[in-house]
Amino acid sequence: AQSVSQHNHHVILSEAASLELGCNYSYGGTVNLFWYVQYPGQHLQLLLKYFSGDPLVKGIKGFEAEFIKSKFSFNLRKPSVQWSDTAEYFCALYKGADKLIFGTGTRLQVFP
Amino acid sequence: GAGVSQSPSNKVTEKGKDVELRCDPISGHTALYWYRQSLGQGLEFLIYFQGNSAPDKSGLPSDRFSAERTGGSVSTLTIQRTQQEDSAVYLCASSLHPSGASTDTQYFGPGTRLTVL
Repeated sequence: AQSVSQHNHHVILSEAASLELGCNYSYGGTVNLFWYVQYPGQHLQLLLKYFSGDPLVKGIKGFEAEFIKSKFSFNLRKPSVQWSDTAEYFCALYKGADKLIFGTGTRLQVFP
Repeated sequence: GAGVSQSPSNKVTEKGKDVELRCDPISGHTALYWYRQSLGQGLEFLIYFQGNSAPDKSGLPSDRFSAERTGGSVSTLTIQRTQQEDSAVYLCASSLHPSGASTDTQYFGPGTRLTVL
């Protein structure tokens, strides 16, 4: 069965620190991968997505993610976080015409 | 409206009662999805509609859960004889069509927080 793993459950950073959130998936076929973000009190929003082509995907608010097929990974990165990045981040796998399979999420807290 | 809307935003009910949750997808989106977000458990797929039909009901946790979609638009998720473990945030999402193209992005609503006492 397909699955998505996010090993970092809770990450605490100071402003300007660099961020990398891990996402690993298990699926042998063609994958579409997503990162969603849920800011406090708000609904899920798409940060970025990978369908094909350049494995380095740039999203909104300075986020990027790199698809490494050999490692079954799609880690999210940001070189310098801000307090406003405090949120919960979800990695998701989309296998064709079907549902999204989500990881359990990573809660990011950024302190000024 | 430009986004997915859900109602009610909050629902408190007593154990054993039935509840109905509503989702209005983005206009023109043919695919509609229901998910459940439980504390500490991430998001769990429940059911997916393409038009009015539901080709994938695999995520419904029990036969107390059902969903329908009429007119290819509004969907209702019904939970009968609610239990305390049904307490969660129920999220609805829509996408233009699930064909594998770039339009597959799912857009989420704000959710309905269900509390079963």
